[in-house]
Amino acid sequence: DVKVTQSSRYLVKRTGEKVFLECVQDMDHENMFWYRQDPGLGLRLIYFSYDVKMKEKGDIPEGYSVSREKKERFSLILESASTNQTSMYLCASRFSDRVNTEAFFGQGTRLTVV
Amino acid sequence: AQSVTQLGSHVSVSEGALVLLRCNYSSSVPPYLFWYVQYPNQGLQLLLKYTTGATLVKGINGFEAEFKKSETSFHLTKPSAHMSDAAEYFCAVSGNTNAGKSTFGDGTTLTVKP
Repeated sequence: DVKVTQSSRYLVKRTGEKVFLECVQDMDHENMFWYRQDPGLGLRLIYFSYDVKMKEKGDIPEGYSVSREKKERFSLILESASTNQTSMYLCASRFSDRVNTEAFFGQGTRLTVV
Repeated sequence: AQSVTQLGSHVSVSEGALVLLRCNYSSSVPPYLFWYVQYPNQGLQLLLKYTTGATLVKGINGFEAEFKKSETSFHLTKPSAHMSDAAEYFCAVSGNTNAGKSTFGDGTTLTVKP
């Protein structure tokens, strides 16, 4: 069974903290994604990685960075957490050469910044 | 460029009634279209997808969708709603020129009344 695992379901962090959200997939997918989900705004792409050490900014990259040192792991970093980054964060992955296939999602991390 | 519009952020139906969730897309290349479902505090999972071939696509849990190129639509239907169908539904589009990135609609929350 395919799996995308996010390290935490719920996180509470303080303003100004550096926050790491981890995502691991076991499907040997090249492409990995981080989305942010807010009510009424759908899913917005933060960053995208198409290979190890390769990344591309999405629609809302400000305040975030990413790291992909191994194919199976894609980390989202909030350099200095702010209250407007309180949100649900979703990680996803898919094969790069099969654009007609779906993305597989993790369970999500609900982050609260206080 | 690609985009998705989901008409109606909230849809309410009675149990046993027809479910119709609307999705219109725009894409500069032949699109691949997806419907995902998200249950509370979960990630997204695939309901169905259109890639090529038959324009009427059947998915899990009795859902189906029809790709209509002339109307640039991909509406999701189910003949008879069940209480367990209450969830948020996302329409997504991807094409073969954007490295596998999908664009998601804002989502439609389906409520099923007893």
